[in-house]
Amino acid sequence: ILNVEQSPQSLHVQEGDSTNFTCSFPSSNFYALHWYRWETAKSPEALFVMTLNGDEKKKGRISATLNTKEGYSYLYIKGSQPEDSATYLCAFQTGANNLFFGTGTRLTVIP
Amino acid sequence: NAGVTQTPKFRVLKTGQSMTLLCAQDMNHEYMYWYRQDPGMGLRLIHYSVGEGTTAKGEVPDGYNVSRLKKQNFLLGLESAAPSQTSVYFCASSLRQGVGYTFGSGTRLTVV
Repeated sequence: ILNVEQSPQSLHVQEGDSTNFTCSFPSSNFYALHWYRWETAKSPEALFVMTLNGDEKKKGRISATLNTKEGYSYLYIKGSQPEDSATYLCAFQTGANNLFFGTGTRLTVIP
Repeated sequence: NAGVTQTPKFRVLKTGQSMTLLCAQDMNHEYMYWYRQDPGMGLRLIHYSVGEGTTAKGEVPDGYNVSRLKKQNFLLGLESAAPSQTSVYFCASSLRQGVGYTFGSGTRLTVV
């Protein structure tokens, strides 16, 4: 069992604020790092999968970075909108085809 | 394009009863997975399959069995349900390793 930690657990921001969350994972046996967005009453939806140290991915106002040597990834949201309200999950993938999920960061964007 | 479909969406079982959860995907994905979601915990892998006819144990396999007789279907069975198996179950699939998973909408199971 591998420990994947996300912080903060929850976050409230005003519309228009930029924000970021952290995912910490073991620095050994790394295969990939996933980020998912999970809206209430829906299924988790894949945002990014990163495999190389130093990877940066971007989708609209959301971006992510990866540091495999120190075992962390950041997710950034620029200019938060109410529709960004969701739980953001990260998951650490080992070479053994196993994905270990964190408990998520619950984001609420206040209009 | 339906993606990943799980049936049923809700179910209440009595302790000792058996049931099968069905996961179907129409994306021709090789890999399929069953996860459970419990309060305060991340999604935990129960079993997975890397192709038709194959299955493997995940992090929390005890009390569950699976079968992948057809590429598009992945079945999760509970032979003798226990209250500890009360959970929300998610099925997911992926084309290969290293790409994002597509999740189903979940099955909420209560064992009384």
